[in-house]
Amino acid sequence: DAGVIQSPRHEVTEMGQEVTLRCKPISGHNSLFWYRQTMMRGLELLIYFNNNVPIDDSGMPEDRFSAKMPNASFSTLKIQPSEPRDSAVYFCASWGRASTGANVLTFGAGSRLTVL
Amino acid sequence: AQTVTQSQPEMSVQEAETVTLSCTYDTSESDYYLFWYKQPPSRQMILVIRQEAYKQQNATENRFSVNFQKAAKSFSLKISDSQLGDAAMYFCAYRSAWPGNTPLVFGKGTRLSVIA
Repeated sequence: DAGVIQSPRHEVTEMGQEVTLRCKPISGHNSLFWYRQTMMRGLELLIYFNNNVPIDDSGMPEDRFSAKMPNASFSTLKIQPSEPRDSAVYFCASWGRASTGANVLTFGAGSRLTVL
Repeated sequence: AQTVTQSQPEMSVQEAETVTLSCTYDTSESDYYLFWYKQPPSRQMILVIRQEAYKQQNATENRFSVNFQKAAKSFSLKISDSQLGDAAMYFCAYRSAWPGNTPLVFGKGTRLSVIA
């Protein structure tokens, strides 16, 4: 399995622009999580989905943030309009059975966002 | 709500020596999972070890082992024969066993340096 795939790996944009981050979870994993990591706040849970349904979006900082999961193999996190304080590393992770047989949370490589 | 505390923001260890990273958590639940994740400078989040609360036996993965003290709500990570590649940020995490597919709660991390 290719693991959790995120794109883009790096994004540099200007304030006010729309940013879309993409995630492909591991096939067969039925829960997907979006986290944000900054030096100041550490790892923060933004939103998570079970079976493509959003369960808890209380971590989404503002209405400028939105997330969708139209099917089991794809999710997006959108920021519109972006602001410099949104600069962070955004991780997507999926929960499910690993090669060991145990259920674990597997992270993507992250998308580093810089908003100028 | 559950919380995870890592009281050591930074630790260092000499190469080939042993180091223990501390983690405590707060919960009223009896069944849960505990994890240690490693984040090297590449920023990839890598699962190091996993422990199920109902198992009394401490988990081990090669040079990594845990000391799980359920009554004390303590879950420390021991790294034996430390290697330069072990230098990373280490996160302790908690997950409820029920309901299913709930998010992991992460500590703020411990930065481990390995001295040659």
